[in-house]
Amino acid sequence: GEDVEQSLFLSVREGDSSVINCTYTDSSSTYLYWYKQEPGAGLQLLTYIFSNMDMKQDQRLTVLLNKKDKHLSLRIADTQTGDSAIYFCAESIIAGRRALTFGSGTRLQVQP
Amino acid sequence: DSGVTQTPKHLITATGQRVTLRCSPRSGDLSVYWYQQSLDQGLQFLIQYYNGEERAKGNILERFSAQQFPDLHSELNLSSLELGDSALYFCASSAGESSYNEQFFGPGTRLTVL
Repeated sequence: GEDVEQSLFLSVREGDSSVINCTYTDSSSTYLYWYKQEPGAGLQLLTYIFSNMDMKQDQRLTVLLNKKDKHLSLRIADTQTGDSAIYFCAESIIAGRRALTFGSGTRLQVQP
Repeated sequence: DSGVTQTPKHLITATGQRVTLRCSPRSGDLSVYWYQQSLDQGLQFLIQYYNGEERAKGNILERFSAQQFPDLHSELNLSSLELGDSALYFCASSAGESSYNEQFFGPGTRLTVL
């Protein structure tokens, strides 16, 4: 079955690194995504990783994928107050369902 | 701005009523997805249309239905509304049919059922 889990809340100080974690259960997942939702706004795709990769870096964002443990993480370097938002991980499966399965979201609070 | 528009932004109605939510995808995108975001259920996929045809169904109730028109805009119809239908409804669009095509989300319609 498909289930994506995230911790609910993370608080960091401005300038520190943030690490948001996600676990998934469907071993056939081929793409894993990180979305950001700011208050009152829709979801914005931040980055994604294909399941044959271990790591992807995009400016301040680093995604790490551990397929053995089905663990995905998003590291935000030099976290800013503008990074305060809810972060969702999501998985998609090429065969079968053609939709995204989202985690519950992690609320990141950045303190000045 | 993702290029996906949704109307209305807010909707307040009573139990038992019927409402229609509208979505216009990004120019050139053929797929439209509908998602429901509620406090207790989180963000859940409802249904997908591709070029006018239903492609996938998620956790969509029988009281809900959707369609995609020839101009590619989509409508989500919610009927016999219950208090538990209060949620944020998102539409997303993508160029291709598969979910691994990047999906662009609209700002959502907040539905409140009183």
